[in-house]
Order: sequence, then structure tokens, then C-alpha cells
Amino acid sequence: GEDVEQSLFLSVREGDSSVINCTYTDSSSTYLYWYKQEPGAGLQLLTYIFSNMDMKQDQRLTVLLNKKDKHLSLRIADTQTGDSAIYFCAEAEYGNKLVFGAGTILRVKS
Amino acid sequence: GAVVSQHPSWVICKSGTSVKIECRSLDFQATTMFWYRQFPKQSLMLMATSNEGSKATYEQGVEKDKFLINHASLTLSTLTVTSAHPEDSSFYICSARVLWAPEAFFGQGTRLTVV
Repeated sequence: GEDVEQSLFLSVREGDSSVINCTYTDSSSTYLYWYKQEPGAGLQLLTYIFSNMDMKQDQRLTVLLNKKDKHLSLRIADTQTGDSAIYFCAEAEYGNKLVFGAGTILRVKS
Repeated sequence: GAVVSQHPSWVICKSGTSVKIECRSLDFQATTMFWYRQFPKQSLMLMATSNEGSKATYEQGVEKDKFLINHASLTLSTLTVTSAHPEDSSFYICSARVLWAPEAFFGQGTRLTVV
């Protein structure tokens, strides 16, 4: 079945880059997503990438996709204290439900 | 991104009563809405998928008679927790999507506490 795995915790210093990693098993995945969740809030869509792309950049965010290894990463450049949150990786087949990883807690130290 | 409004943000109810949670897509028509449940420090568990005008599809292990989902219009879906019990206390989040579009947008969530 579908499975998405992420590292549970990442701690970085303010101004450094953060890299959050994710692996998935579904080879039929069409889209891969990164969401951010702050305490007590819903999920904010940060970015998504189509499975035939290798990279997508959006301001401070860079998504890398290695489809062969089914590995997805999110790089946050110049990490700020406001980036502290839980980051969820998710995958979906075209038109289908999203399957989420367990989330990575990002802690940014000032 | 598009806005999905979920109401209420939090609710406390007595055991045995029912609670209704609303999810609205404010600036787009959501052909599909998803309802998730999230336990503390855990990921989102999909409860059900609903398409406008049709019955919801529930995930395995989710009681459809306990968690009633209605998706009467393209902008509104409701989740009713019937005869709530303390074990139903959780964070419930809805998500809305336009058919075949890649983006799925989430509401701000509802913290349900059953006492």
C-alpha cells in the first residue's frame, strides 16, 4: 500500500538552510506536496511538484524530487524563527486522496 | 492560495450530544472535500472523502453512522459527530479540492473536546 515516511525532528540555527527529507512508496504518485502546520492550526500548502519534474523553486523554498529513489526533499533557505512548525510531506495519484507522512518538527534556534 | 474556512475553531460538548463542524470553500467550488482527524503529535488520518451531491466514502475503520458527512453544495461540507464520547476528542481538519486540480487546501481545524 501507500506509505510516506519522514524524519521526525530537525533543529537548525536561524539563517542556516533546512533540509527536510521524505520517502514514499507509491510509484503511481502524480503529485508530491509539502505542507506546513503551526500549533493549533490547519495545514498550509507550501508547494507541490509534478512527478515528472526534478526540481521546483519558489522564493526560499526548493523542492527536489528523485523519482527513481522515490525521495523528496524540501530545502528552506535562510531559515527564520517563523519557519518553526511541523512540515508534512504528502503524495497523491491524479485526482485521488493525499497520503501524508508523520510530519517533521522543525525547530529554529535564534 | 484558495481559502477554506472551518467552523467552529473549537468546541466543548457533553458526552452523548452531537456536534456539527462546517467546512466552506470561500473563493472556489470544491468538487471534493476530505475530512481528517489528527491526534496529538501524529499525522493526519483520513476519515472520509465526499463529492458534491453524492454519499461520502469512508475509510476502513471509520463508523459512518457516527461521523455523518454531508456535502450538499460545491462550497459546503459538514461533519456531524453523533453521540460524542470522550474518545472522540480530537482535532478535525477538512480539505477541499477542485476535481483533477493538484492543490488541496485545508481549513484551520476544529478542536473537539467531549467532557
